Amino acid sequence: GAGVSQSPSNKVTEKGKDVELRCDPISGHTALYWYRQSLGQGLEFLIYFQGNSAPDKSGLPSDRFSAERTGGSVSTLTIQRTQQEDSAVYLCASSLNPQETQYFGPGTRLLVL
Amino acid sequence: AQSVTQLGSHVSVSEGALVLLRCNYSSSVPPYLFWYVQYPNQGLQLLLKYTTGATLVKGINGFEAEFKKSETSFHLTKPSAHMSDAAEYFCAVSGYSGGGADGLTFGKGTHLIIQP
Repeated sequence: GAGVSQSPSNKVTEKGKDVELRCDPISGHTALYWYRQSLGQGLEFLIYFQGNSAPDKSGLPSDRFSAERTGGSVSTLTIQRTQQEDSAVYLCASSLNPQETQYFGPGTRLLVL
Repeated sequence: AQSVTQLGSHVSVSEGALVLLRCNYSSSVPPYLFWYVQYPNQGLQLLLKYTTGATLVKGINGFEAEFKKSETSFHLTKPSAHMSDAAEYFCAVSGYSGGGADGLTFGKGTHLIIQP
């Protein structure tokens, strides 16, 4: 069956612009996760959704980052006023529920010039 | 609080030789432990995970790992390396069997190089 998909696969933007990253989880998966993978910080957990709700947003790096999930399915990670340090690969994962294995998408590679 | 330390950012082995990737963890709660593999320009794929029960866990592609509570370790092994094993390997820990609301805490990763 279809796995987790993410779009765009690559995004180049100028410093100060806003970007939206999209994640389509596996159908029926209620739990959705965002991670950031960068050379300096490795893999960092950003945020978790159970259904449309994100109980804890403290993992988001700054108030320029926001995320939402609608219809218990698609999620969008938005970065406002991008900075060069935001350059990274943003990975999305989903699982049937929080107790089950996470399946990862291929990621969105973001480059901020 | 949880953390993972992977010893060796790069490990090089000859094709056919034993693969050993080291992982030590710290956790304030009983840990669930994971090994993921990442091939170039791809997402992470689960190799194996320890939840409860048997401490020797077998995964895909001939990999296995042993949970040693006394050593706080979860090292990954494979008896005979294959060229297709070349990839980045990540060890992760969680207080929940799937990651839960806190997500997974990953190590920095080990790049496995296979010499022909």
